[in-house]
This record gives sequence, C-alpha cells and structure tokens, in this order.
Amino acid sequence: AQKITQTQPGMFVQEKEAVTLDCTYDTSDQSYGLFWYKQPSSGEMIFLIYQGSYDEQNATEGRYSLNFQKARKSANLVISASQLGDSAMYFCAMRGAQGAQKLVFGQGTRLTINP
Amino acid sequence: DSGVTQTPKHLITATGQRVTLRCSPRSGDLSVYWYQQSLDQGLQFLIQYYNGEERAKGNILERFSAQQFPDLHSELNLSSLELGDSALYFCASSVGGARNSPLHFGNGTRLTVT
Repeated sequence: AQKITQTQPGMFVQEKEAVTLDCTYDTSDQSYGLFWYKQPSSGEMIFLIYQGSYDEQNATEGRYSLNFQKARKSANLVISASQLGDSAMYFCAMRGAQGAQKLVFGQGTRLTINP
Repeated sequence: DSGVTQTPKHLITATGQRVTLRCSPRSGDLSVYWYQQSLDQGLQFLIQYYNGEERAKGNILERFSAQQFPDLHSELNLSSLELGDSALYFCASSVGGARNSPLHFGNGTRLTVT
C-alpha cells in the first residue's frame, strides 16, 4: 500500500520568502510518480509538478521545484519568492506503477503568505 | 482551466434522496477518476474507469455507483443520501494509468445534504 505523510498542517511565510513544504512517502513499488497539487480557497485542484522515481534530476516548474531524496523517501516542494497568490492548500500525492492507478494523497498543508 | 468539466457546481438535497454528478474528461483522456473530499477524511479515491470499463475501486459505498459512457463522460450516482455524504466530489481525468501521467481535476461538485 502507498502512503503519503504531510506533517505540517499549516505554514505562515512572509511574501517574497522561499518556503519548503514537506512530504514523505511509503511504497513497495520500485517505479512510482510523485505529484504536488495546489487547492486555492475557490476549491479547484491545480497540478503543479511531477517527479518520477527514476529521475536523477529534481523537477522544476517555474517558481516550483521538488527536492527529491529517494533514500529518505521525501519529496518536498520548494516555492521560491512566494507571492500572496500562493496562499492555498498544497497536497502531495503519489502514483504507483502497478495495480490501481489512482493517486494517493496526503492530508495537505495550508500555506498562508503574509504581506 | 484543466479541461475537465463537472456539473452541477453546487447541489443541495435532503437525506434519503438520490443525485447524479456528471463529468466530461479532457479531450483525449480515457481514464476518469472520482474522488471525495471531506474535512475529516481528506481526498479519498472512489472509483476509476478506463475507456468505459471499471478499472479500480476505492472506498466507495454500496449506495454509490458510477459509469463511463461511450463518449467517455462519466456519472457518479449517490443514493439514500446521508448527512455524512456532504462533501466536495471531484472528477479527474488522465490519458492513461502511467505513473508519470498527472490527473487533471475538474472544479468539483459541492454536495450538501440537509
């Protein structure tokens, strides 16, 4: 079974600072994908970034990067130069290569950016 | 805009009733997933369809059922509704089931059971 753990229920950061959202995972799959989603207060789920278990480079998408440490089973999201619009819930999720093809989500971290 | 369309956006109904939630996946996506998001349970996977066939089942109650039609749109039917069924229901789609294929979510249907 796959499990995602996000240990930070809430985080408060000053605008323009960088922020790291923690995510650890557990799986017996050798091949898997890790994803981050953003859910603003309006409710929609927005895909941010993907990291494959065999990818040697950390994924980056604009201001988002993923700090992937396979041996520690962690996939932390780093947001550089935070903006007020980054205030939202952030979910880490994973998808295995075998069996059910669903995404398994963590409980999320609520990020608040202060001006 | 993810390209996934869910209707209706809001639904208010009474206990014991039945409702149908509708989802149109992104063009070209064959897989449709349904998720339930509640405050106490987080995002829970309900069921997945791939090109019209049920592919995986999660924590879906027997009172709930779903199907995917030949045009690939999907419907989630919720019956004998209880107060605890109040939640945000998401539909998501992806091209297939590959591990590197993200799910693209619709804006959700917020169901309130009174």
